[in-house]
Amino acid sequence: KQEVTQIPAALSVPEGENLVLNCSFTDSAIYNLQWFRQDPGKGLTSLLLIQSSQREQTSGRLNASLDKSSGRSTLYIAASQPGDSATYLCAVESGAQKLVFGQGTRLTINP
Amino acid sequence: DGGITQSPKYLFRKEGQNVTLSCEQNLNHDAMYWYRQDPGQGLRLIYYSQIVNDFQKGDIAEGYSVSREKKESFPLTVTSAQKNPTAFYLCASSESGRYRETQYFGPGTRLLVL
Repeated sequence: KQEVTQIPAALSVPEGENLVLNCSFTDSAIYNLQWFRQDPGKGLTSLLLIQSSQREQTSGRLNASLDKSSGRSTLYIAASQPGDSATYLCAVESGAQKLVFGQGTRLTINP
Repeated sequence: DGGITQSPKYLFRKEGQNVTLSCEQNLNHDAMYWYRQDPGQGLRLIYYSQIVNDFQKGDIAEGYSVSREKKESFPLTVTSAQKNPTAFYLCASSESGRYRETQYFGPGTRLLVL
């Protein structure tokens, strides 16, 4: 059974720092991995989707990497801003219509 | 604007009562999904539908029911059989429900038990 873990559960950093969020999964047979952002009491916004054949994806200040063999993904946020404060969730697709989510990392960027 | 709408934003349920959460999308997507999110946890799949008049159970379908009579709509009923319904419910859609697609999420409905 696929399990997805995100560490740390919460992270607080000063504005302007670069930071890395971690996601690990137990079964390397995945189709893709997605990173989502969730603001308090809101739905999810897709940030990046990495197909299983890809190693990384970039969007603006965000860069996500995927290492299937080790069951790991990282989300790198450059030059963090207070507006980046949110919960970040990763999810792996390990079957059709089958997204398995991690518990999320609650990120706080301090001005 | 294309997107997914969920209503109501907050819903209160009394003991023994069935309640229905609405989800509508105008993205012309074939596939729709319902997830449940508990505090500090990731999302868990309740039901999904790839096409009108067809739907499949997810990981935690017990105590829930759905219908898919129209492509745009995928309502979720939380029945009295669901003993712990307090949670945040999220609806999502994707283009066809096949592999490797991005899912787009609605704003969610928070269900509370009186």
